[in-house]
Amino acid sequence: GENVEQHPSTLSVQEGDSAVIKCTYSDSASNYFPWYKQELGKRPQLIIDIRSNVGEKKDQRIAVTLNKTAKHFSLHITETQPEDSAVYFCASTPYGGSQGNLIFGKGTKLSVKP
Amino acid sequence: DTGVSQDPRHKITKRGQNVTFRCDPISEHNRLYWYRQTLGQGPEFLTYFQNEAQLEKSRLLSDRFSAERPKGSFSTLEIQRTEQGDSAMYLCASSLYGQGNTEAFFGQGTRLTVV
Repeated sequence: GENVEQHPSTLSVQEGDSAVIKCTYSDSASNYFPWYKQELGKRPQLIIDIRSNVGEKKDQRIAVTLNKTAKHFSLHITETQPEDSAVYFCASTPYGGSQGNLIFGKGTKLSVKP
Repeated sequence: DTGVSQDPRHKITKRGQNVTFRCDPISEHNRLYWYRQTLGQGPEFLTYFQNEAQLEKSRLLSDRFSAERPKGSFSTLEIQRTEQGDSAMYLCASSLYGQGNTEAFFGQGTRLTVV
């Protein structure tokens, strides 16, 4: 079955710096790759997603890139702010699944220091 | 209807007891998903429904776990003969599938503690 690996497990940056989180997946038929942000004690919330027919997507300070050949995708956060501090999860949807049939990575705890 | 709601938010039970959790999805969403999240891990997919049909249940953790969505609206997840290893956050999510697919929206979860 599909496996998603995520690195690093923790990431600490200074406010204003960029943060990059990387994920790899195993199922070449996977076609949907969302990123969720989870603050302590709260529900996971989608921050950006990308489909397999697109190589890059950007939304203000957040961008995601996808390399289908290498089977990896990355989250880029620029100009980080303290409120970006949270756990970020990447996920993929194996072929045939919908946006809710997700296989998650183990998460990256991002700390943004003021 | 402001989102996916789950009840209860917290449940403490003694080992061996049965527990049932409820999830109310966003009203127009036809798909409903259950996940388990243990401390320091990502959510782990358990099962999902499209309307009242359970389309995937092979990932339910054992035969002690079962889920229903009898009228295609709310869903329940039951764990029989609870064990300490069942202690976790149980998350529900819903999405619209078909015309106008949406992302999966998660509920706040039910935190289960088995003592």
